[in-house]
Amino acid sequence: GQSLEQPSEVTAVEGAIVQINCTYQTSGFYGLSWYQQHDGGAPTFLSYNGLDGLEETGRFSSFLSRSDSYGYLLLQELQMKDSASYFCAPRSYNTDKLIFGTGTRLQVFP
Amino acid sequence: SAVISQKPSRDICQRGTSLTIQCQVDSQVTMMFWYRQQPGQSLTLIATANQGSEATYESGFVIDKFPISRPNLTFSTLTVSNMSPEDSSIYLCSVVLAGVRDHTGELFFGEGSRLTVL
Repeated sequence: GQSLEQPSEVTAVEGAIVQINCTYQTSGFYGLSWYQQHDGGAPTFLSYNGLDGLEETGRFSSFLSRSDSYGYLLLQELQMKDSASYFCAPRSYNTDKLIFGTGTRLQVFP
Repeated sequence: SAVISQKPSRDICQRGTSLTIQCQVDSQVTMMFWYRQQPGQSLTLIATANQGSEATYESGFVIDKFPISRPNLTFSTLTVSNMSPEDSSIYLCSVVLAGVRDHTGELFFGEGSRLTVL
């Protein structure tokens, strides 16, 4: 089976840096995705790590360590609009389906 | 990207009734999935919608309760049968688009169908 853990909630102020961790146990691991979901909205894709290491996309970066079964999403120069829920989602080998983590609610304060 | 239309966007239903949710995509699709998201919770995969054949259900979900059809590549329906208040949730259609960063398995989501069962 699979298990995924994320912190339930993170708070930060505008301009700060925040890291959202994801630990997982899954068989046949393929890669790790991150999604953002604003209240009342649909989830949207943020990033994907198919290999170990850091992937950078603007203010957002994502990291993966397969040996540690661990990844994180790093958000820099936080803005109020970054207040949302963030989900990690490991992708299993030989299937395209995604199983989502428990989700982390980020609240950014002025 | 693509336009993924879900209907209805919301509905209030009576216990014991059934409701069918439609999902239409305006681009070519390789995979289609149905997720459920209860208030304040994560997304739970219900099933993979397979074109022209029976859907593949995840543990805890069965065809009698959640029949799914996918008659062509870009259209699918999910029926929530014999509803109870525990079925109150947001139901989301999601797709993998053909030729769009396939190696990432990026999912595009519809806006969801919010069901309230009284």
